[in-house]
Amino acid sequence: QKEVEQDPGPLSVPEGAIVSLNCTYSNSAFQYFMWYRQYSRKGPELLMYTYSSGNKEDGRFTAQVDKSSKYISLFIRDSQPSDSATYLCAMSARGSNYKLTFGKGTLLTVNP
Amino acid sequence: ETGVTQTPRHLVMGMTNKKSLKCEQHLGHNAMYWYKQSAKKPLELMFVYSLEERVENNSVPSRFSPECPNSSHLFLHLHTLQPEDSALYLCASSQGLGLKGDNEQFFGPGTRLTVL
Repeated sequence: QKEVEQDPGPLSVPEGAIVSLNCTYSNSAFQYFMWYRQYSRKGPELLMYTYSSGNKEDGRFTAQVDKSSKYISLFIRDSQPSDSATYLCAMSARGSNYKLTFGKGTLLTVNP
Repeated sequence: ETGVTQTPRHLVMGMTNKKSLKCEQHLGHNAMYWYKQSAKKPLELMFVYSLEERVENNSVPSRFSPECPNSSHLFLHLHTLQPEDSALYLCASSQGLGLKGDNEQFFGPGTRLTVL
């Protein structure tokens, strides 16, 4: 079983839709959870960072962590064409925070 | 220049060539990273440097040789690579190693490497 599972998509939605992106993980030592966005021909950029179960909201983005189920989600409300990118989940364990384990990424296209 | 820069952006090399990738961070960070991003595979951490000392070598073959002469610059020296080494090589930096919550990693645009 891979440490982090993420459906690579592709996912195509109309503008204004609510998008749900998900990752599951098997390592119960993971304590820190991140979502990165990667545009074509660019490096990943950090979108959301959380270390506790529950929800964290930032504008149109909500990150959700359920440690009991080893499941994390990113919701995008009122999706825009500019949200079209690959979304990568990443996580790390306490004491080795810098060692990020990534999912494969989900390619999202938001159509005008 | 701002953020993290990488040169060259594209590189094509033969299996017998020697080449180097360069990364420079303009953020005043103390930690730098090399990652490999292959199609259909997750980002893989290769090397980590903190204050110019290597703290992580993630079982990377010796044909990849990193060098960190100072906290702003990171190199990846390549020699006798294989076609399966073709990938996007990403450099990143962070303020620290995250032990104090300072591990947000900022990525460069990457070098697209093709090995013939």
